Amino acid sequence: AQSVTQLDSHVSVSEGTPVLLRCNYSSSYSPSLFWYVQHPNKGLQLLLKYTSAATLVKGINGFEAEFKKSETSFHLTKPSAHMSDAAEYFCVVSDQERRSQGNLIFGKGTKLSVKP
Amino acid sequence: GAGVSQSPSNKVTEKGKDVELRCDPISGHTALYWYRQSLGQGLEFLIYFQGNSAPDKSGLPSDRFSAERTGGSVSTLTIQRTQQEDSAVYLCASSLGTSPKEQYFGPGTRLTVT
Repeated sequence: AQSVTQLDSHVSVSEGTPVLLRCNYSSSYSPSLFWYVQHPNKGLQLLLKYTSAATLVKGINGFEAEFKKSETSFHLTKPSAHMSDAAEYFCVVSDQERRSQGNLIFGKGTKLSVKP
Repeated sequence: GAGVSQSPSNKVTEKGKDVELRCDPISGHTALYWYRQSLGQGLEFLIYFQGNSAPDKSGLPSDRFSAERTGGSVSTLTIQRTQQEDSAVYLCASSLGTSPKEQYFGPGTRLTVT
């Protein structure tokens, strides 16, 4: 079965410093991977997705993620944090075993705090 | 509409009562999903509809939970005889299809069972 692990429940950075949110997955198949962001009291918004094309994926708001098969990782990065980046971030893997049903498996989330 | 909408945005109910939560997906999206997000937890898949196929109900936590999708569009999630552990944010998402199409999420319904 597919699974996804977000290694940090909470990350705190200073404005202008780099952001690294870590995600590892397990998959018997070539996975499709996503990062979603959830701002307080808002719905989830897709940041970026990997679907077996380029391993370095660029998303919205300056975020990017690199698919590393050898490390089974899909870490999310941003060179310089902005106050508006404070939110909860979810790493998601598509459940290939349920491919016909399109089920997504969500990590438990990483809450990003940005200090001025 | 422009995005997925859900109603109500907040619902407070007494233990033992039934509740209905509504989801309006993006027009033309054939797939619709319900998730539950409890405090401190990730998203828990509940049920999935794809076109006219039989829904995937494998994520429903008990037989108190059911969902319908009428006319391939609007969906209603019903929780009967609510319990305090049902308190959570219920999120609906829709997508153009599956395998694996990105999902667009609504703002959610916050359910509080007292």
